[in-house]
Amino acid sequence: SQQGEEDPQALSIQEGENATMNCSYKTSINNLQWYRQNSGRGLVHLILIRSNEREKHSGRLRVTLDTSKKSSSLLITASRAADTASYFCATDNFGNEKLTFGTGTRLTIIP
Amino acid sequence: DAGVIQSPRHEVTEMGQEVTLRCKPISGHNSLFWYRQTMMRGLELLIYFNNNVPIDDSGMPEDRFSAKMPNASFSTLKIQPSEPRDSAVYFCASSNRDRGHTQYFGPGTRLTVL
Repeated sequence: SQQGEEDPQALSIQEGENATMNCSYKTSINNLQWYRQNSGRGLVHLILIRSNEREKHSGRLRVTLDTSKKSSSLLITASRAADTASYFCATDNFGNEKLTFGTGTRLTIIP
Repeated sequence: DAGVIQSPRHEVTEMGQEVTLRCKPISGHNSLFWYRQTMMRGLELLIYFNNNVPIDDSGMPEDRFSAKMPNASFSTLKIQPSEPRDSAVYFCASSNRDRGHTQYFGPGTRLTVL
């Protein structure tokens, strides 16, 4: 079963708007990562946040983590057409390098 | 540096045939992962290796699937005999365990079993 569940499953916004995606997970984690997958391609790592961190930024990306609620959010600011892709969260447990991926959010940016 | 390399990129075969998927991880990475992605089941971890040794194969669907990693630069995933329900995109990913758990994915092999 999927550890992570992304919400919403699909999101369409106008170019220039901000996009927010959420991820919930079930068990304690060591790290949480976000990946992007363009159509027909492999997943690409975007950002990693550790369990003792609450917020992290990378360019137009902002990730938050709330371990008490077992949830994370990914914010993409000033969206561009090139941001159209599926976004997945992935978690790993202490002492285990396996990643458990969520179901993904399909983001469409309308030019 | 070259990323993870997978071959073939596309494979179409008939039910009952043997299929072999190949992966070359990023040089210096010591962990390798095989995933399967379908619309119905999402992204599933099949098996992963660390230092060429299989660590967890609990995701391998059944005995028809087998994976090997004879050396640090090559791995195969074999399906014998193949069935239509094996149709999916198969990804290989690698990571450097000593530098965190970020995984680097190959472009995938799209397998169609007729």
